[in-house]
Amino acid sequence: AQSVTQLGSHVSVSEGALVLLRCNYSSSVPPYLFWYVQYPNQGLQLLLKYTSAATLVKGINGFEAEFKKSETSFHLTKPSAHMSDAAEYFCAVIVTGGGNKLTFGTGTQLKVEL
Amino acid sequence: KAGVTQTPRYLIKTRGQQVTLSCSPISGHRSVSWYQQTPGQGLQFLFEYFSETQRNKGNFPGRFSGRQFSNSRSEMNVSTLELGDSALYLCASSLQENYGYTFGSGTRLTVV
Repeated sequence: AQSVTQLGSHVSVSEGALVLLRCNYSSSVPPYLFWYVQYPNQGLQLLLKYTSAATLVKGINGFEAEFKKSETSFHLTKPSAHMSDAAEYFCAVIVTGGGNKLTFGTGTQLKVEL
Repeated sequence: KAGVTQTPRYLIKTRGQQVTLSCSPISGHRSVSWYQQTPGQGLQFLFEYFSETQRNKGNFPGRFSGRQFSNSRSEMNVSTLELGDSALYLCASSLQENYGYTFGSGTRLTVV
């Protein structure tokens, strides 16, 4: 079954430091990959998506992710963390031909410290 | 442009009761999906509707059902509620396949 694995359920960084949230996917066909963010008591907000147009994807709030087929990875990065980035982040996949069903990773809680 | 609207935001029900949750998608979006989010199981896919037809269904018991109306609004129903049905239920709509979803703020269901 197609899935995504997020390494690290909790990540803590200092304000101004690099943010790196890891996501690996397993899919036998080209996937569509997404990163979502969830703030407390809110729904999910789309940060960025990979749909095979370009391997480096830029999203909102300064986030970006690079699709690496050889590593089956789609890690999320941000050069400089801000306090407002503290939230839970989910990687998700839609498999081509599998309908419009999102399969989510288990999430990574990002903590930003002063 | 209005986002995805879910009503109600919060709901408390008793075991054995049934509940109906409502979702209004973004105007023009014909694909609507529902997800259940719990601390133990994470985000799990319930079902997807497109043009009033259920296109995909997750691995949930038959107590969970849904439908979509001609204006793309969707409802999901849970009958014979169990304590384990307590969760955040998220609705999402999409313009087209593989395009990504826009999520609503969710309905927090508590079963007591």
